Amino acid sequence: DAKTTQPNSMESNEEEPVHLPCNHSTISGTDYIHWYRQLPSQGPEYVIHGLTSNVNNRMASLAIAEDRKSSTLILHRATLRDAAVYYCIRSGTSYGKLTFGQGTILTVHP
Amino acid sequence: DVKVTQSSRYLVKRTGEKVFLECVQDMDHENMFWYRQDPGLGLRLIYFSYDVKMKEKGDIPEGYSVSREKKERFSLILESASTNQTSMYLCASRTDRGFEKLFFGSGTQLSVL
Repeated sequence: DAKTTQPNSMESNEEEPVHLPCNHSTISGTDYIHWYRQLPSQGPEYVIHGLTSNVNNRMASLAIAEDRKSSTLILHRATLRDAAVYYCIRSGTSYGKLTFGQGTILTVHP
Repeated sequence: DVKVTQSSRYLVKRTGEKVFLECVQDMDHENMFWYRQDPGLGLRLIYFSYDVKMKEKGDIPEGYSVSREKKERFSLILESASTNQTSMYLCASRTDRGFEKLFFGSGTQLSVL
């Protein structure tokens, strides 16, 4: 039970913004929201994480709804290298297990 | 950069064989994880270890065991491999000093014939 819901797939054009949604309606007050992505033939890599506030880093932005029941990963300008499976995960402790779901397959068109 | 190394990229074994998948990390991380990845099912956690000689079952531990005798090494053991254990196996590690991201290896594609 991944406890998050994501669309199976999304498509985007190169250099356009991409908004990847995630629903986590049963999230508890102390659960973090993490995003990882998996490029073809590689293990997943960390993208971003947050608790309550919106977060930005060099890879992406994370927008968290005020009620924390959903979040959106934002890629500001998609490139072909961003084509990957994106996983949204929630976890309650720093060392607890992270349960991945099926993720969203992002296709980026030239 | 943290490196998580899995001993084999591809492995072919026969039904009933005992299989060892090895994972080594070089950043003194306390936590280590084994996942398997299958088409349509995403990543599923098999076992994790939060310290040397400590282990906890994940979501699908049946048919697997693990060993963590040294901090840097986490082994996944298939006591008697079966065809339904054909899968991509991914190892990951993380420090437990506050929030830290998971670092994954490149995976081992295991085929059990």
